[in-house]
Order: sequence, then structure tokens, then C-alpha cells
Amino acid sequence: EAGVAQSPRYKIIEKRQSVAFWCNPISGHATLYWYQQILGQGPKLLIQFQNNGVVDDSQLPKDRFSAERLKGVDSTLKIQPAKLEDSAVYLCASSHQSGGWVEQYFGPGTRLTVT
Amino acid sequence: GIQVEQSPPDLILQEGANSTLRCNFSDSVNNLQWFHQNPWGQLINLFYIPSGTKQNGRLSATTVATERYSLLYISSSQTTDSGVYFCAVSGYSTLTFGKGTMLLVSP
Repeated sequence: EAGVAQSPRYKIIEKRQSVAFWCNPISGHATLYWYQQILGQGPKLLIQFQNNGVVDDSQLPKDRFSAERLKGVDSTLKIQPAKLEDSAVYLCASSHQSGGWVEQYFGPGTRLTVT
Repeated sequence: GIQVEQSPPDLILQEGANSTLRCNFSDSVNNLQWFHQNPWGQLINLFYIPSGTKQNGRLSATTVATERYSLLYISSSQTTDSGVYFCAVSGYSTLTFGKGTMLLVSP
């Protein structure tokens, strides 16, 4: 079974530029998550989708971050404009259903450096 | 929200040694997962263990839900065990991660 796929793996941009990340979840997984992991910390949830609807985006900085999951499969996360403090690893995860009791599986992440 | 504390924050071992990592959490949980984050940043699922005991090779984990803690045991450690070990818990929705234990296994 293929795992969660993410691209690109690395991205370097200048502040005020825009960037987009892509995620393809495990086949059949209805729930998709985007996390931000700053160096030295654990991942923090940014947004959770159930199929193509948003379940939780309470920690997403909506003035600059946006995410969509068209057709309930792939998802993109965009930052526009980027700030220096956005430098982090962006992790995508998926699970077969929503709810606190389900196991989540993580992709390899995209390491973003904002200069 | 649920608070998660992991200890110790850092651990250095000689190859072949055993270790125990601890995760304390502040409220009842429906999900508890242990992850290993390798030096390339990949989060690898080790255990899904909201309660009870599981073993997988040299690794085992025990969660005592009523006392709000979980333990991860690593036996006969190898250099490839190096990395950061995260405990993550959730009640009914959001998975909350601890700050992790950074493990370095030297040859």
C-alpha cells in the first residue's frame, strides 16, 4: 500500500513570495490533515479535511495560509505572502475516518526555508 | 486542550543499551500514538496504543489510560534508533504532540 505522498520535499523562497505544497493521501482515506512543525517542536495541526469539507481550521493563519481539497482526494496548502517565521516542515497526514480514535499516517514532509 | 509531557527531553545511549521513554497526558484520551522521526524528518508510526501493551521486535509500549501515562521501551538499541520520539494523543478530535525525546545511540 502506497503511503502519503508530498511534494516538493524542499523549498527555499524569499519573504513576501508565495509557495504551494501538494499532498496525496493514502487511497481510501477520507480524512486529511496539514501540520506545521517548527524546529525543535512537535507538529501542530493547521487544518483538517473530511472528504472535501473543512472540519477544523482553528489554528490556520487565514490571513496568509489557505488550503483546499478538491474532489476529496489531493490537497494543496498555500502561503501568500510568506514570512520568516513560516520556515518549518509542513507535514500531511491521512486517516480512514475522522475522529480522535483513528490512527494517522504521515507523509515525508516539505521543508520550507524563508529567507 | 490536552497537555502532553515527554521525558527525558534528550537521551544518549551506547549501542546495545535499553531505555524507557515516558509520556504523561492531562486528560482521558481515545488515541495515543508513538512516532519515530528519523533524521530526514519522516514520522514513522511505531504504535497505536490508547491502552494496553504492544510489542514489535525490540520495541514495546504500554499505556495505562487510568493513570494517564504511556511508556515506550527500546531494547538492545542500535544506531538506527537515533532520532526524535514523539507521543501524540487526542480526545475526540485534534492529535496533540509532545515536544519529543531526542535519542542518540552511539556505536
